[in-house]
Amino acid sequence: EMQLVQPGRNLIQPGGSLRLSCAVSGFSVYDFDLGWVRQAPGKGLEWVATVTGRDDTPHYADSVWGRFTVSRDISKNTMYLQMNSLRTDDTAVYYCAKPNRDYFYMDVWGRGTTVIVSS
Amino acid sequence: EIVMTQSPATLSVSPGERATLFCRASQNINNKLGWYQQKPGQAPRLVIYDASTRATSFPARFSGSGSGTEFTLTISSLQSEDFAVYYCQQYRNWPLTFGGGTKVEIK
Repeated sequence: EMQLVQPGRNLIQPGGSLRLSCAVSGFSVYDFDLGWVRQAPGKGLEWVATVTGRDDTPHYADSVWGRFTVSRDISKNTMYLQMNSLRTDDTAVYYCAKPNRDYFYMDVWGRGTTVIVSS
Repeated sequence: EIVMTQSPATLSVSPGERATLFCRASQNINNKLGWYQQKPGQAPRLVIYDASTRATSFPARFSGSGSGTEFTLTISSLQSEDFAVYYCQQYRNWPLTFGGGTKVEIK
């Protein structure tokens, strides 16, 4: 069974950095493209980033471009989201998600990691 | 960026009734549209992909239709477990974009 496992909760000050992890179970982290979707409190879903292909081509939303970096580590079978220069409007639940092999709808989701950016 | 607009924001429906949710894209996305269901405190779940193909874990009362810019999700006879928020998402172009969601609540 394919699963995406995410640890629980993080509190960080504005301007700080944080690395989120998403451990992959049931397949190799390089078998599929992988990505991140976030949801601010009481708000809708917002796509954040996707890493594609064997060459790790990244795609980012404008709201995080230049601040966030998505990567994969095959030795740990894990995807990461390095988040720098965090702002209060980055406060959200961050879901890792696996797109379908051919198209970018998300057919497997992690349970989400809460990130609170606050002083 | 392709803007996705969902309507209505909230839909009040009695159990057993039909629910029809709408999603509009700001430009042609062919059939590259997915629908997701999200319940409080849970991750979203894929309901429909390619505008009209139902995900295996969802029953036949869920159906999707449309192409181009206008799409519909229909739940033919609402059950208690169907009350949730539903989001559409286009995957025709980067950036991937979601609609604002429709909350289906008990009338």
